[in-house]
Amino acid sequence: RKEVEQDPGPFNVPEGATVAFNCTYSNSASQSFFWYRQDCRKEPKLLMSVYSSGNEDGRFTAQLNRASQYISLLIRDSKLSDSATYLCVVNVAGYTDKLIFGTGTRLQVFP
Amino acid sequence: GAGVSQSPSNKVTEKGKDVELRCDPISGHTALYWYRQRLGQGLEFLIYFQGNSAPDKSGLPSDRFSAERTGESVSTLTIQRTQQEDSAVYLCASSFRDYPYEQYFGPGTRLTVT
Repeated sequence: RKEVEQDPGPFNVPEGATVAFNCTYSNSASQSFFWYRQDCRKEPKLLMSVYSSGNEDGRFTAQLNRASQYISLLIRDSKLSDSATYLCVVNVAGYTDKLIFGTGTRLQVFP
Repeated sequence: GAGVSQSPSNKVTEKGKDVELRCDPISGHTALYWYRQRLGQGLEFLIYFQGNSAPDKSGLPSDRFSAERTGESVSTLTIQRTQQEDSAVYLCASSFRDYPYEQYFGPGTRLTVT
């Protein structure tokens, strides 16, 4: 089993839609969770950290389910500018400061 | 403030040559990470530093790859006797040594081996 698994997509959604991505991780002892976004031919950029109680940043909501070992990202009112690849990121077993990146879920928002 | 910087932004080299890639982390960040990303692929971990020591070098693909960090600042990734399969974007990231260990990336060095 991969340490971090994501549906590669692509998810094609119209502007204004709500879209959700899930990610599963294998290390039950993981403590750090993030979502990054990566635009084509650019570096990954931190979108948000994911906290146990769930957290929201504008149109973006992240949830953590430790029992099932999955993380979700919800994007409301999608914009064209949200088109990117979204990377699920978790710390590696035995290393609090080493992260492993999922291969990403591609989102394409169309007019 | 200034983000992570990397140089050069692009490097074209002939097979068999050595290359050096440089990373300047965000000031005050004690941890520094190197990744490789081939076209259309995910991030591949190479090595990371806490201060000047490298707790984990497990991702270095072969002994042609080495990295060092001095003064808890700049890091250099060296690839000796480059091969065509080394062509990729090499990304550097840095973070504080505190939870939750958010990493911030530089723009990367695009390496092409001809």
